[in-house]
Amino acid sequence: GQNIDQPTEMTATEGAIVQINCTYQTSGFNGLFWYQQHAGEAPTFLSYNVLDGLEEKGRFSSFLSRSKGYSYLLLKELQMKDSASYLCAVMDSNYQLIWGAGTKLIIKP
Amino acid sequence: ETGVTQTPRHLVMGMTNKKSLKCEQHLGHNAMYWYKQSAKKPLELMFVYNFKEQTENNSVPSRFSPECPNSSHLFLHLHTLQPEDSALYLCASSQDWGTSGSEQYFGPGTRLTVT
Repeated sequence: GQNIDQPTEMTATEGAIVQINCTYQTSGFNGLFWYQQHAGEAPTFLSYNVLDGLEEKGRFSSFLSRSKGYSYLLLKELQMKDSASYLCAVMDSNYQLIWGAGTKLIIKP
Repeated sequence: ETGVTQTPRHLVMGMTNKKSLKCEQHLGHNAMYWYKQSAKKPLELMFVYNFKEQTENNSVPSRFSPECPNSSHLFLHLHTLQPEDSALYLCASSQDWGTSGSEQYFGPGTRLTVT
């Protein structure tokens, strides 16, 4: 079966750095997405990786290792508004997104 | 209106009621999706429409009936639902279906409670 694993919850301090990991086992691979979802709101797109390596976008970076079935989302200079759930999703060989259950990130002052 | 809109935002219905959820995308996309989001569970893909044609139906019970009259509008008709169908129903759209990297844009969702 297809599976996406990510931690259920993480806590970090304002101004610090946090890394959210995602491991996957899917039927084929057509890229990995990260989304942010604030409570009661729509998920919003953060990043897309299809090749190995690090993609940097402002305070957020996303890394992919296809051989290891592994990705992480790195958030720097954490702000209170970064408190949200972070969803990892892999596009499989049928171009369907397979989603993780999400990581709830709690930022403390 | 911009992006993806959904109505109603909240819906409470009895098990014998019939209701419909509406989604509209203002992005000029060709693909639209219905997802179910339950607490602490992964997003579950329900239906995919590409150029108004249904391309995916992920073993969804027949009490959920989708309708896509054009590429901008998507409906989910509900009838004789069960309490376990209570969830957040999200609509999404993307430029195309079946291409790598085609990110999906989500609406705010309809919070459905079945009593």
